[in-house]
Amino acid sequence: GAVVSQHPSWVICKSGTSVKIECRSLDFQATTMFWYRQFPKQSLMLMATSNEGSKATYEQGVEKDKFLINHASLTLSTLTVTSAHPEDSSFYICSARSGLIIGNTIYFGEGSWLTVV
Amino acid sequence: AQSVAQPEDQVNVAEGNPLTVKCTYSVSGNPYLFWYVQYPNRGLQFLLKYITGDNLVKGSYGFEAEFNKSQTSFHLKKPSALVSDSALYFCAVRDIPNAGGTSYGKLTFGQGTILTVHP
Repeated sequence: GAVVSQHPSWVICKSGTSVKIECRSLDFQATTMFWYRQFPKQSLMLMATSNEGSKATYEQGVEKDKFLINHASLTLSTLTVTSAHPEDSSFYICSARSGLIIGNTIYFGEGSWLTVV
Repeated sequence: AQSVAQPEDQVNVAEGNPLTVKCTYSVSGNPYLFWYVQYPNRGLQFLLKYITGDNLVKGSYGFEAEFNKSQTSFHLKKPSALVSDSALYFCAVRDIPNAGGTSYGKLTFGQGTILTVHP
């Protein structure tokens, strides 16, 4: 199957700093990428949808100025958590889809653990 | 709005026994349904999907799922469970693209079911 890579897998940052998480599609062109947040033992919460070359669409309640998403190329999307606070600590997962055929499978990255201290 | 329900938070089965993880859905049009598995501290792995065609869908690692339109269900099954199947399982439904296509492919997940297979 297609491979989606996330980096870093683990990151610890100080409160008030910014941290960037990368999501790459390694063997296909991802026209659309999705960013999710997952709290322990809970389901995934969609944060935003990004289409290559356009602004991300954020879900209700997600602060777009805090969670900056960039999808500059067909293989790379980044999530930047700005001015991070301890409550931003979470597991962040990206997913990617290629093409426009509705049946296309969506593949997920391995996730990135963010701990804000 | 579409939604997915996984009525069981946990499912426990003995190794070698058949397993079922339940999923029901609600959509306004044709459903596009998926199952994913998540191992601890890892991302999601795709298991199988139903788009159209045969109601019985076969996927990875011996899993299969049966689409039942009248019961709006898409239960995940495996004839003989393995200890290594123990993980968190998510059912998901995919939306219908809007006119602008900006939400194309958005998945709505169920709350997840922890499957534990005992030796």
